[in-house]
Amino acid sequence: DADVTQTPRNRITKTGKRIMLECSQTKGHDRMYWYRQDPGLGLRLIYYSFDVKDINKGEISDGYSVSRQAQAKFSLSLESAIPNQTALYFCATSDKQGALKEAQHFGDGTRLSIL
Amino acid sequence: GQNIDQPTEMTATEGAIVQINCTYQTSGFNGLFWYQQHAGEAPTFLSYNVLDGLEEKGRFSSFLSRSKGYSYLLLKELQMKDSASYLCATANAGNNRKLIWGLGTSLAVNP
Repeated sequence: DADVTQTPRNRITKTGKRIMLECSQTKGHDRMYWYRQDPGLGLRLIYYSFDVKDINKGEISDGYSVSRQAQAKFSLSLESAIPNQTALYFCATSDKQGALKEAQHFGDGTRLSIL
Repeated sequence: GQNIDQPTEMTATEGAIVQINCTYQTSGFNGLFWYQQHAGEAPTFLSYNVLDGLEEKGRFSSFLSRSKGYSYLLLKELQMKDSASYLCATANAGNNRKLIWGLGTSLAVNP
C-alpha cells in the first residue's frame, strides 16, 4: 500500500462545481502539504499544515481551502472550480525533527481537468 | 529574496555521465534536496546535502558548495529509465520549514 494516498487519481468536472481532493498518509508524519504542478511553472505550494487544525497559506491559496481534522488526513477543496485550476495536484508529507527528515514524500497525484 | 536556477533541458547518451547544476540564493540555508520526477508521476527523493562536499549513492552523487550557492547532481552509467525531470529544492531554517523548489531540469537519455 502507498504511504501517501490521494483520491481521486483523475477527475474531470465543470466550471463552478465544488471539488474535494483527499489525501491520507500512513507515515505518521505531522506535516502535510498541497501543491499544484503546471508545465513550465514547477511545483507551487497551495496550503500546508504542521499539525491537526493548523492551516497555513502557501503562495497560491486563492480559490482553494483545506481541512486537517486528523493527523493522517489533509483535504483540499475548490469551492467553485474554474478552468485555470486544471493541473496536476500533489499531496506531500514530512516529519518535523531534523533537516533530513524535512524531505517530503509525495502521493501519486490527482489529475484535475475543469471544463 | 529566494531563488533557484537550473537548466531547463539536457540531453545525454546511454552509458554516459551527466551533471545537472543548481544555483540558489537564500537566507537561513538548511540543506538542499534533489528529487527525480518521471512524467506524470510523483517526485521521489534522491539526495540531501547540508555540508559542503560530495555525497555518493550508487550511480547518483550530489555535491554542495554553500559558499558558492551551488549544487550539482551527477548521474553515471546513464540508463534510459533515467529520462526524467530532476528537481532541486532548498530547505530554509527561517521559512517555517517549507521547501523552495526549482523548476526542474528535463533530462532525455538517448540510445
